[in-house]
Amino acid sequence: GAVVSQHPSRVICKSGTSVKIECRSLDFQATTMFWYRQFPKKSLMLMATSNEGSKATYEQGVEKDKFLINHASLTLSTLTVTSAHPEDSSFYICSARASGIETQYFGPGTRLLVL
Amino acid sequence: AQSVSQHNHHVILSEAASLELGCNYSYGGTVNLFWYVQYPGQHLQLLLKYFSGDPLVKGIKGFEAEFIKSKFSFNLRKPSVQWSDTAEYFCAARLAGGGADGLTFGKGTHLIIQP
Repeated sequence: GAVVSQHPSRVICKSGTSVKIECRSLDFQATTMFWYRQFPKKSLMLMATSNEGSKATYEQGVEKDKFLINHASLTLSTLTVTSAHPEDSSFYICSARASGIETQYFGPGTRLLVL
Repeated sequence: AQSVSQHNHHVILSEAASLELGCNYSYGGTVNLFWYVQYPGQHLQLLLKYFSGDPLVKGIKGFEAEFIKSKFSFNLRKPSVQWSDTAEYFCAARLAGGGADGLTFGKGTHLIIQP
């Protein structure tokens, strides 16, 4: 089946620094990638939808200047958490879908801890 | 507003017991429905999905789900659970035809199967 990877799997950073998380589709071309955030004991919340070559669409309440998304190629999307604060600590999960395919394939997630 | 609710946050069963996990959705239109499973330490995997047609959907690992439009429900079932079914289960939805749309997830059900 389709494989989606994320890097890094976990990251610890100091407050005020920026962190970049990569999401790659390994064996298919992902025209659309999605970024979700999962809080402890809570559901996944869609943050933004990223289409290759165009600007990401952010969900209501998600700061686009805080969470920068770039989908520069059909196999890579990046999420950069800028000026991270402790409240940004969370589990970030990406998913990807190919054109014409309804199913999203999920990455393993990245655990971010901001000290 | 679009929402997905899962009634049971924690379920504990013995092996060979039957399982039913509830899922209800609230959407202003026709929906596509999904059940995902997240085994400990692993990424989300698709169990089954419903787009149209036969409301009884069979998925992997012996799981099935029934779409009942009048009840806005999509409950997950398995006649006889195994210890290896211990995992987190998520119901998700999106508007039909929204292949490029992100999913709305329920809060998840943590299923523990006791040997």
